[in-house]
Amino acid sequence: NAGVTQTPKFRVLKTGQSMTLLCAQDMNHEYMYWYRQDPGMGLRLIHYSVGEGTTAKGEVPDGYNVSRLKKQNFLLGLESAAPSQTSVYFCASHAREWNEQFFGPGTRLTVL
Amino acid sequence: KQEVTQIPAALSVPEGENLVLNCSFTDSAIYNLQWFRQDPGKGLTSLLLIQSSQREQTSGRLNASLDKSSGRSTLYIAASQPGDSATYLCAVLSGGYQKVTFGTGTKLQVIP
Repeated sequence: NAGVTQTPKFRVLKTGQSMTLLCAQDMNHEYMYWYRQDPGMGLRLIHYSVGEGTTAKGEVPDGYNVSRLKKQNFLLGLESAAPSQTSVYFCASHAREWNEQFFGPGTRLTVL
Repeated sequence: KQEVTQIPAALSVPEGENLVLNCSFTDSAIYNLQWFRQDPGKGLTSLLLIQSSQREQTSGRLNASLDKSSGRSTLYIAASQPGDSATYLCAVLSGGYQKVTFGTGTKLQVIP
């Protein structure tokens, strides 16, 4: 049982480049989330999904898109990266409503 | 808007000491509160989840309490060890899946 995994672990982009972050979970969880963590800001919710084929905006969705084509995967896309998107990105998931969240190890992204 | 505060931001204690970490939130209408541990460069590890109907949860040397009416939670760590050194985060779920609010954490150092 790998839990929540994230790919890649590190990435450096130039301004304007695009990329996709992959989150995978093998716990059959319905709910999945993408957060970003910045110094002094805590974790902030970017987008979330309450089931396969559904997505919704969180607190800071601008500049990001997501897709949940398969229950176990939640993809976060940056179409045109900006330096303000330099951050550590975490994926999380949980089973039933209001349940314990499990986090992935994070992806450290630097946009130059 | 829900705000979550953790004080102090940093704490240093000698090994063996019992300690309390604090988490306060402004909106008492919460569904649950979760405590996490984060090691440097790593993801978040769930420690304890307290549902809104519960007053406390215990796991090993950890005990978390919840007082919704006063907007407070405490994480009690008994007989602290150097391996407890990490940043401790609390997160509050209120108002729906998109309403997860994290505190900025307390960085704990346990000195041998």
